[in-house]
Amino acid sequence: DTEVTQTPKHLVMGMTNKKSLKCEQHMGHRAMYWYKQKAKKPPELMFVYSYEKLSINESVPSRFSPECPNSSLLNLHLHALQPEDSALYLCASSQVDRGGSPLHFGNGTRLTVT
Amino acid sequence: AQSVTQLDSQVPVFEEAPVELRCNYSSSVSVYLFWYVQYPNQGLQLLLKYLSGSTLVESINGFEAEFNKSQTSFHLRKPSVHISDTAEYFCAANHGGTSYGKLTFGQGTILTVHP
Repeated sequence: DTEVTQTPKHLVMGMTNKKSLKCEQHMGHRAMYWYKQKAKKPPELMFVYSYEKLSINESVPSRFSPECPNSSLLNLHLHALQPEDSALYLCASSQVDRGGSPLHFGNGTRLTVT
Repeated sequence: AQSVTQLDSQVPVFEEAPVELRCNYSSSVSVYLFWYVQYPNQGLQLLLKYLSGSTLVESINGFEAEFNKSQTSFHLRKPSVHISDTAEYFCAANHGGTSYGKLTFGQGTILTVHP
């Protein structure tokens, strides 16, 4: 069982829809991440939150909007997506340090944009 | 830019055979190295990590990896694989400093264990 919980597991949305992905962890981690993974590729970093503040945005299009309401929750709001945005979206968390703490990943949300 | 290279995209082996998945990273003053495993339709799970100290690190399920600074390598090995080890394996590096959380992943190696 993963300690990072993501909902929903699967999501199908049209290009005009608005939806949100949710992520929750209760390990006391103060860094949380969104990654995007296309088939047969490694995960690509999208956003990093540290102490509930956005610290890294990897030039992600504005149709993806992250939110960190508290230290346990991370959301990714989706609007006007394109078919090429279809992918597995992974949430992760870690302790905040100089890079030695491993990331704990959720099982992801499989997103299909039609 | 930092980089991680996994030399084999696919590795087929028979059950109970030994396996080595190769990983090289770009050199840095400090580097933290990780191996993650991803089973189909799941997220990534940490297999093992190298932070400092002993260059040989082991996981609970029989995998081990050796940090070799002179060759900038962190190869993953298992002396006898099982069918259940079939998965995709990612090597990743974090070069520390202010780049916490910014893992650089290799392209992944798909390990397929045949009966």
